Amino acid sequence: GQQLNQSPQSMFIQEGEDVSMNCTSSSIFNTWLWYKQDPGEGPVLLIALYKAGELTSNGRLTAQFGITRKDSFLNISASIPSDVGIYFCAGDAVNSGYALNFGKGTSLLVTP
Amino acid sequence: GEEVAQTPKHLVRGEGQKAKLYCAPIKGHSYVFWYQQVLKNEFKFLISFQNENVFDETGMPKERFSAKCLPNSPCSLEIQATKLEDSAVYFCASSQSPGGKMNTEAFFGQGTRLTVV
Repeated sequence: GQQLNQSPQSMFIQEGEDVSMNCTSSSIFNTWLWYKQDPGEGPVLLIALYKAGELTSNGRLTAQFGITRKDSFLNISASIPSDVGIYFCAGDAVNSGYALNFGKGTSLLVTP
Repeated sequence: GEEVAQTPKHLVRGEGQKAKLYCAPIKGHSYVFWYQQVLKNEFKFLISFQNENVFDETGMPKERFSAKCLPNSPCSLEIQATKLEDSAVYFCASSQSPGGKMNTEAFFGQGTRLTVV
């Protein structure tokens, strides 16, 4: 699969702070997806992006599909304790047959 | 159903034993995917199906892994002669009809944690 470089690897922030994480690749992607995974659970889809330059929001979450189609970022505004978890970027590269390539995750810890 | 259902939630096998995992995709979804998540959180794509047909099996270790999606039955992933390195969480995901952007909005089950001892 295509390698996705996700950063940062972990973040430790205070409640109310904004958070930003991103993914980059050397390959062009058709779609970018952002998932959140809680311990012992499967990944839950947060945001899906389909067009270069697309900016999409879901509540306090905002994500963008990079113009070059090789990167994406996810922002979380005014973080709350339930934002704790591991966030993964995922995407399907051109000619990948819909299989998702995943980043290695950003572990987010939020203190009250 | 409205969610991807995976069974069992936990599975323990002795090295060399067979392991079989099951997945019922969301009703109406045409694509089923299997992923393996190992300790470092890395997801590895194994295989995908379009209905009962193998769509992409480029990630499958051919020797001991096999998978099926038969009509009117849960999909299955089977590992013959398990090895210690097969210990991981195996996720099944499904996505909607072909032809368009919904193919990659994959919804995941809760996973099966396989421990090989």
